[in-house]
Amino acid sequence: EAGVTQFPSHSVIEKGQTVTLRCDPISGHDNLYWYRRVMGKEIKFLLHFVKESKQDESGMPNNRFLAERTGGTYSTLKVQPAELEDSGVYFCASSSSIRVGEKLFFGSGTQLSVL
Amino acid sequence: EDQVTQSPEALRLQEGESSSLNCSYTVSGLRGLFWYRQDPGKGPEFLFTLYSAGEEKEKERLKATLTKKESFLHITAPKPEDSATYLCAVLPPGYALNFGKGTSLLVTP
Repeated sequence: EAGVTQFPSHSVIEKGQTVTLRCDPISGHDNLYWYRRVMGKEIKFLLHFVKESKQDESGMPNNRFLAERTGGTYSTLKVQPAELEDSGVYFCASSSSIRVGEKLFFGSGTQLSVL
Repeated sequence: EDQVTQSPEALRLQEGESSSLNCSYTVSGLRGLFWYRQDPGKGPEFLFTLYSAGEEKEKERLKATLTKKESFLHITAPKPEDSATYLCAVLPPGYALNFGKGTSLLVTP
């Protein structure tokens, strides 16, 4: 069974440009999460989808970030325009339920560098 | 505000040298405490979930315990393949995990 896949694995862009990150969850997983780790900091929650609906987007830093999950399958996270502080590793995770203790399956992340 | 503090930040062990990693937490309404392992260039990989004080879980050379204020990850007779970053995370009400910064473990032969 394929795991959570993320594209691209690395992205280097200039300040002011737009970048779109993609996440393909494990097939059949209705719950999809985005997390981010900025250098030297802990992994932080960004948002949570249940199917195509945003369940919780309290962790989104500002309106330059837009997440979508069309059809409840893959998800994209767009940053427009990118700023220097957006650099970090963006992780996607999925789970089959929201039962407490349900383990999350993480992708390998997208390393975003904004220059 | 919820807080998760892991110590030490880094730990170097000789193969076979047992030790413990600490995760101290402050959270309102803890619903679960999670341990994850992360290898370089990979995402976190689930290890354990603990729900209440006094609970213990084991997997191979790893044993996780939980009190009302902290959790320990005990590593017995570690091997070089146990080298990784170990992450602790708490789940307050809601669905967002709060992670600590992790402990980077290196086990040398």
